[in-house]
Amino acid sequence: AQTVTQSQPEMSVQEAETVTLSCTYDTSENNYYLFWYKQPPSRQMILVIRQEAYKQQNATENRFSVNFQKAAKSFSLKISDSQLGDTAMYFCAFIPKGGAQKLVFGQGTRLTINP
Amino acid sequence: GAVVSQHPSRVICKSGTSVKIECRSLDFQATTMFWYRQFPKQSLMLMATSNEGSKATYEQGVEKDKFLINHASLTLSTLTVTSAHPEDSSFYICSQSQGTSYEQYFGPGTRLTVT
Repeated sequence: AQTVTQSQPEMSVQEAETVTLSCTYDTSENNYYLFWYKQPPSRQMILVIRQEAYKQQNATENRFSVNFQKAAKSFSLKISDSQLGDTAMYFCAFIPKGGAQKLVFGQGTRLTINP
Repeated sequence: GAVVSQHPSRVICKSGTSVKIECRSLDFQATTMFWYRQFPKQSLMLMATSNEGSKATYEQGVEKDKFLINHASLTLSTLTVTSAHPEDSSFYICSQSQGTSYEQYFGPGTRLTVT
């Protein structure tokens, strides 16, 4: 069975700082996708970034980038120049390619950006 | 990304009554939709996979007779909580997957309160 672990329940940084959220996962699959989703206070789940396991290059989306270490099964999210609007719960998620397309979520990290 | 709507956004019902939650895919024909439940400060828990034109697939521990899922068209899936009890109070979220991209797009959620 696949599992996703986020070891940081809560994090807090000052506006404009850089913050890194950790995520590790366990799977025997070789081909899969990894995602970071954001859930702000509105509770709407928003896709932040995704990574395909067979791509070695780390995905980036503006201020958001990942550090994907396939051998270590690690998938951390870096937020640069953090903004107040980045305050949210962040969930790391895994899905194997093929099969039932079920997302496996981590426990989440509550990130607070302080002014 | 895809647009998914849910209705109602909030509902309060009395114990013993049934409540129907609608999930609509507004710009994509979704053969598969997913229903999640989220308790406060916790991650999303997959309840079931809704398949258009066929029976839903329920996760272990989810009572299919209590949480009735109907996916009668490519744009609409419904979740009916039957004979609701206070312990069914929760935040329910639906999502759709757009085939080969493996990304899931989420509805805004429905907060159910059973009194």
